[in-house]
Amino acid sequence: NAGVTQTPKFQVLKTGQSMTLQCAQDMNHNSMYWYRQDPGMGLRLIYYSASEGTTDKGEVPNGYNVSRLNKREFSLRLESAAPSQTSVYFCASSEDPSGRARKTQYFGPGTRLLVL
Amino acid sequence: DAKTTQPPSMDCAEGRAANLPCNHSTISGNEYVYWYRQIHSQGPQYIIHGLKNNETNEMASLIITEDRKSSTLILPHATLRDTAVYYCIVRGYLAGSARQLTFGSGTQLTVLP
Repeated sequence: NAGVTQTPKFQVLKTGQSMTLQCAQDMNHNSMYWYRQDPGMGLRLIYYSASEGTTDKGEVPNGYNVSRLNKREFSLRLESAAPSQTSVYFCASSEDPSGRARKTQYFGPGTRLLVL
Repeated sequence: DAKTTQPPSMDCAEGRAANLPCNHSTISGNEYVYWYRQIHSQGPQYIIHGLKNNETNEMASLIITEDRKSSTLILPHATLRDTAVYYCIVRGYLAGSARQLTFGSGTQLTVLP
């Protein structure tokens, strides 16, 4: 199993450009998440998808859109990138075995984005 | 989810046990204690979690006080590769929903040779 994979690993954008960050998991997990991490700070949730076909806003959704393409894939789109979106983006997934409060999240390696 | 308090940094000698404390005095009865770590420039990695009993796995042990207001993560034989930021997270369970993890500032553990 590859676990959670993210592409690209690095990206430089100019202000106003758009791009899509890709995330895929091969663990058959129901839930997937997008976080951003700014220097010296913890992770903040952008969007999440509890199950295939559903998406919900997290703590910092402005400027982003997401698509849960299928159970495996959850993409994050920046329609018009801004310097404030310079960050490291992490995708995560989790499974919730019925009746047990596990919700362990498994993270991808991250995408480092610089917006000039 | 209850707030957690951790020391900002700790050092540990290689080969010795690393004991990382966490206070969560407002934890409620259905909230679990999770520990994650983040090695520089990598994604966070799950370590262990527990409700009220002590837990042990291949990576670490988790000791939760009887009143559940604090816990300690123990790395029994720390190595240089254990140098990372360690996050203590308290969260509840809500059936049928996805819940985010709220990461605080964590503890920077530095294992010294």
